[in-house]
Amino acid sequence: GENVEQHPSTLSVQEGDSAVIKCTYSDSASNYFPWYKQELGKRPQLIIDIRSNVGEKKDQRIAVTLNKTAKHFSLHITETQPEDSAVYFCASETGNTPLVFGKGTRLSVIA
Amino acid sequence: EPEVTQTPSHQVTQMGQEVILRCVPISNHLYFYWYRQILGQKVEFLVSFYNNEISEKSEIFDDQFSVERPDGSNFTLKIRSTKLEDSAMYFCASSEVGGRARLEQYFGPGTRLTVT
Repeated sequence: GENVEQHPSTLSVQEGDSAVIKCTYSDSASNYFPWYKQELGKRPQLIIDIRSNVGEKKDQRIAVTLNKTAKHFSLHITETQPEDSAVYFCASETGNTPLVFGKGTRLSVIA
Repeated sequence: EPEVTQTPSHQVTQMGQEVILRCVPISNHLYFYWYRQILGQKVEFLVSFYNNEISEKSEIFDDQFSVERPDGSNFTLKIRSTKLEDSAMYFCASSEVGGRARLEQYFGPGTRLTVT
């Protein structure tokens, strides 16, 4: 089955700097890659997603890139703010199989 | 903006007891899911439900688990005889269907299940 690896497990950045979180997947049939943000004790919230027919997608300060050949996708957060501090999960699915999540990255933005 | 809701927010039960976790998916969504998250770990898929039947289930979703859509709005997860290792946050999610593809999944706030 699908396996999603996520790195790093923890990431600390200074406010205003950029943060990059990377994920790799194993199933070449995967075609949908969402990113979820989970603040402490709260629900995972979808922040951005990308489908396999797109190489890059951007929404204000966040962007996701997808490299299908290498089977990896990345989340980029620019101009980080303290409220970006949370655990970020990547996930993938083929459309016919369930979402498989990475283990999460704890992002700390230091003011 | 419509949201997935879940009740209760916290459930404490004794080992061996039955629990029912309740979810109200977003009204125009057709796919429903249950996930669990053991404290400090990743979110794990349990089961998906579409057209009044289970669509997929994981190895975690054994005979102790069942799901039901008892009416037009609720979606429930039942654990028949809880074990200590069932202690986790349980998230319900729902998504629309676009053509043949499921669309984005939106998560509920979760139910924290504590088995003592």
